[in-house]
Amino acid sequence: GAGVSQSPSNKVTEKGKDVELRCDPISGHTALYWYRQSLGQGLEFLIYFQGNSAPDKSGLPSDRFSAERTGGSVSTLTIQRTQQEDSAVYLCASSFGQGADEQYFGPGTRLTVT
Amino acid sequence: KQEVTQIPAALSVPEGENLVLNCSFTDSAIYNLQWFRQDPGKGLTSLLLIQSSQREQTSGRLNASLDKSSGRSTLYIAASQPGDSATYLCAVRRYKLSFGAGTTVTVRA
Repeated sequence: GAGVSQSPSNKVTEKGKDVELRCDPISGHTALYWYRQSLGQGLEFLIYFQGNSAPDKSGLPSDRFSAERTGGSVSTLTIQRTQQEDSAVYLCASSFGQGADEQYFGPGTRLTVT
Repeated sequence: KQEVTQIPAALSVPEGENLVLNCSFTDSAIYNLQWFRQDPGKGLTSLLLIQSSQREQTSGRLNASLDKSSGRSTLYIAASQPGDSATYLCAVRRYKLSFGAGTTVTVRA
């Protein structure tokens, strides 16, 4: 079946604007994760959704970042009042469950804040 | 907090040589360990997944070992090819993945 998809693939925005990044997980996967890959920072965890449980937001870098997951499927990551340091590749992953299941990654959204 | 370290940071070898990539982690309470490949400007491709109860996994020319008690994993790539040139990332999972910084591999033709 189809893998994890993300849109847009690239986004260029001006500092101070809001952006929304979308993730469509693999059908049937109950767990969904957002990660960020910044130059010089490596890959870092942002937020995690599991079924109907409250999300784990412990990785969000500031209150400008938020995410929601509608109907247990599609997720949107929103960054308000973007800053240049938000420039990064944002990766979404999904897995069947929250335990030892393999995480499958989408192609990512490259965000550039000018 | 889980810390994942990959050594070396970069590696350049002639074609045909075997590759040995090392990964260490500080907290052994993991569910599994995954090795990924990332090509420039691309997403992550999963190579091997080792569950915490396993000692190794093999796929073609790739073999990964896991010693959970000592917090180490090693990825072996046999008979390297120029197409193996990429960055290899190690990640350990409790529920979220904690990544190493990666090893950038160049295989010279």
